[in-house]
Amino acid sequence: AQSVSQHNHHVILSEAASLELGCNYSYGGTVNLFWYVQYPGQHLQLLLKYFSGDPLVKGIKGFEAEFIKSKFSFNLRKPSVQWSDTAEYFCAVTLRGTDKLIFGTGTRLQVFP
Amino acid sequence: NAGVTQTPKFQVLKTGQSMTLQCAQDMNHNSMYWYRQDPGMGLRLIYYSASEGTTDKGEVPNGYNVSRLNKREFSLRLESAAPSQTSVYFCASSVGDRKNYNEQFFGPGTRLTVL
Repeated sequence: AQSVSQHNHHVILSEAASLELGCNYSYGGTVNLFWYVQYPGQHLQLLLKYFSGDPLVKGIKGFEAEFIKSKFSFNLRKPSVQWSDTAEYFCAVTLRGTDKLIFGTGTRLQVFP
Repeated sequence: NAGVTQTPKFQVLKTGQSMTLQCAQDMNHNSMYWYRQDPGMGLRLIYYSASEGTTDKGEVPNGYNVSRLNKREFSLRLESAAPSQTSVYFCASSVGDRKNYNEQFFGPGTRLTVL
């Protein structure tokens, strides 16, 4: 069955540190990949998405993610985090041609000033 | 444009009570979804509706029923609530064009506690 793994459950960083959150999926076919963010007390918002083309995808607020097909990975990165990036981050996958999202278990990011 | 709205925001039930969670979207989307979010488990799909008049089970449908009342509204019903259904419930919608996947837009969530 299709699944998404996020190995970092809780990440604590100081402001200006670099961030990389891991995401791996298990499916051999063509997938669409997403990162969603949930700020404290708020609903999920789309951070970035990959459908095809350039495997390096840029999203909002300085986030980017790289799709590495050979590693079944879609890691999220930001060169310098801010306190306002404190949130929970979810990686998600859907099969091309369907609209059902499979979510990872999420990574809670805490950024201290 | 309100996007996706959900009512109520909070609810406390006793075991065995029933209730309906309401969801509406004003984006003219075809597809709508119900998820539950539990600590350490991410979001899991309960039911979804690809279009008005159709519904399908997701990953965790047991104990729930849904109704796609019209294109705008998609309700989730708990007939006999159990403590295991304590969770945060999110409704989402998307254009539903399967040729080109479209972003899902999420509502603010309903925090449900079953005692």
